[in-house]
Amino acid sequence: QLHLQESGPGLVRPSETLTLTCSVSGDSLSSNNCFWGWIRQPPGETLEWIGSVSYTGSTYYNPSLKSRATISVDTSKSQFSLGLSTVTAADTAVYYCARSYAPACGGDCLDESYFDFWGEGSLVTVSS
Amino acid sequence: SYELTQPPSLSVSPGQTATITCSGDKLGDKFASWYQQKPGQAPVLVIYRDTKRPSTIPERFSGSNSGNTATLTITGTQAMDEAAYYCQAWDSYTSGVFGGGTKLTVL
Repeated sequence: QLHLQESGPGLVRPSETLTLTCSVSGDSLSSNNCFWGWIRQPPGETLEWIGSVSYTGSTYYNPSLKSRATISVDTSKSQFSLGLSTVTAADTAVYYCARSYAPACGGDCLDESYFDFWGEGSLVTVSS
Repeated sequence: SYELTQPPSLSVSPGQTATITCSGDKLGDKFASWYQQKPGQAPVLVIYRDTKRPSTIPERFSGSNSGNTATLTITGTQAMDEAAYYCQAWDSYTSGVFGGGTKLTVL
């Protein structure tokens, strides 16, 4: 059974870089047709997709966050990470890592994928 | 930017049918997914690729998608179905978008 677990600091100072890691067990980050993504949810608000990295290593970002977000993969540790620079209070949220899966796709079909496994979420507060 | 619009709330009585809509420009040309989220928990996939249901999700959950509207239907709603429901689709092939969410109350 696939399991994802977020880890990282719960408090980040304004203007600093938020860094979170997602540890994956039960699947390989190189599995065909899989994407590994980050989604966040500010308190009381809806979900916001931040970005995803494909099994081929291609990265995709929300245009509204693209200039500040970086997603990287370490297949040797079975982890992928999120970096979000120059944070403000508006970046306070529960951050989820998740797998999205696009069955029967011969390439990077992010638009055919769906988020089938999620981590439990990690609350990150931006405050001085 | 692409937007998905959902009604903020919906109330149904136990045993009734709950219908939650999600509207977006030419949404029927894209795949829609639906997620259930209970307080303090991570979202759970309930419908993917418009109409498909994961094996762990009860048959009372169904979906459709045509024109500008995707619909999540819960037939014979139970108290355990009380939750927030979010639709999701991909814009321009590579940008994920979630709806604002619908809070379903079963009373």
